[in-house]
Amino acid sequence: DIQLTQSPSFLSASVGDRVTITCRASQGISSYLAWYQQKPGKAPKLLIYAASTLQSGVPSRFSGSGSGTEFTLTISSLQPEDFATYYCQQLNSYPYDFGGGTKVEIK
Amino acid sequence: QVQLVQSGAEVKKPGASVKVSCKASGYTFTGYYMHWVRQAPGQGLEWMGRINPNSGGTNYAQKFQGRVTMTRDTSISTAYMELSRLRSDDTAVYYCARRFANRTSFWFDPWGQGTLVTVSS
Repeated sequence: DIQLTQSPSFLSASVGDRVTITCRASQGISSYLAWYQQKPGKAPKLLIYAASTLQSGVPSRFSGSGSGTEFTLTISSLQPEDFATYYCQQLNSYPYDFGGGTKVEIK
Repeated sequence: QVQLVQSGAEVKKPGASVKVSCKASGYTFTGYYMHWVRQAPGQGLEWMGRINPNSGGTNYAQKFQGRVTMTRDTSISTAYMELSRLRSDDTAVYYCARRFANRTSFWFDPWGQGTLVTVSS
């Protein structure tokens, strides 16, 4: 199975900050990586697919990069509505596991 | 619009089974794999498995092999996830999600709203 290591697991930041979350795969997964945002009591919401493609309707302050084993999700200027938990997911091979999550909280 | 609507919350006793439904609308049900993901209280997301609605073929996570059964009814565009021999640590929100694809990748979109399953004596 492919393991995903997401870091940090917790992040405290201020509105307007640039935030970067990293996701490392235990083996190469090409661009078969997605990023989701989850708010309390809600289903996950797709932000980025194919490692770097912004889902329609997602603000352009979100961006994704990487290929192979190392991936990043960047929020260029954190907004109040961005405080949430973020997950990466590999979809290269079953099981389609998720990273452990990064909780972004207000400093 | 593309939508997945799940059945309501369930309370079950240890050892019982639960069957959660996921009704799809707004797209061709048989054209996309349906996946199931669960989330225990305060925990992360856990992939459980998938069903091909066209063929009925399934893949399950090793952890759930022997306890989970995923089925579908194409006449009503609905997928089902049944988990048996429930334990207290199966208490979680269960989500269905459609796998979408392009030439270079896959992703989950949309997701159902989630179904809370509580296992308690």
